[in-house]
Amino acid sequence: DSGVTQTPKHLITATGQRVTLRCSPRSGDLSVYWYQQSLDQGLQFLIQYYNGEERAKGNILERFSAQQFPDLHSELNLSSLELGDSALYFCASTKRGAHTGELFFGEGSRLTVL
Amino acid sequence: TQLLEQSPQFLSIQEGENLTVYCNSSSVFSSLQWYRQEPGEGPVLLVTVVTGGEVKKLKRLTFQFGDARKDSSLHITAAQPGDTGLYLCAGAQTSGSRLTFGEGTQLTVNP
Repeated sequence: DSGVTQTPKHLITATGQRVTLRCSPRSGDLSVYWYQQSLDQGLQFLIQYYNGEERAKGNILERFSAQQFPDLHSELNLSSLELGDSALYFCASTKRGAHTGELFFGEGSRLTVL
Repeated sequence: TQLLEQSPQFLSIQEGENLTVYCNSSSVFSSLQWYRQEPGEGPVLLVTVVTGGEVKKLKRLTFQFGDARKDSSLHITAAQPGDTGLYLCAGAQTSGSRLTFGEGTQLTVNP
């Protein structure tokens, strides 16, 4: 158990819809990272938040957005969903803002868009 | 084009065999990590290497960072079914920069 909690574990929805994925980092961790893992693209970095503020942005689509709340949990919002958005979405956390220490990953949210 | 190329992509072996997986790049990394991901779970860190030529051992797993810090290898001795999983390498080009992950090597160890 990494201490990072993600909900929901599984989500099935239709094209055009919007979903919200939730992440609670390990106790004391200030940084939250979101990754997308698909079969043909591997683990792709989407976005990082540190203590409530956006710290780094990766290959995140404009249809996607995220935020980190004062209690440090984070949400990833995916809208106007397309079939290609079907993937595993992982949240990871670390204590510091630097991206090079050990990342503690949650179990992921599997999104299926039909 | 992937910054980190892992090979092989898939590997299926029998219990007791040895294997090596590779992580290669044309870029220099200040540090490199190896993670293992099991089905239904997130990746878990196995090791971090930071010095060119560094070798680290974790029981039956041996990790090596290339002298030029552009590549790394993971060698497993006497593989066991419990070693089955997706092995991911991840590198940071400079200290504090974001990690870039390779696409992974899917290892299956058959009893």
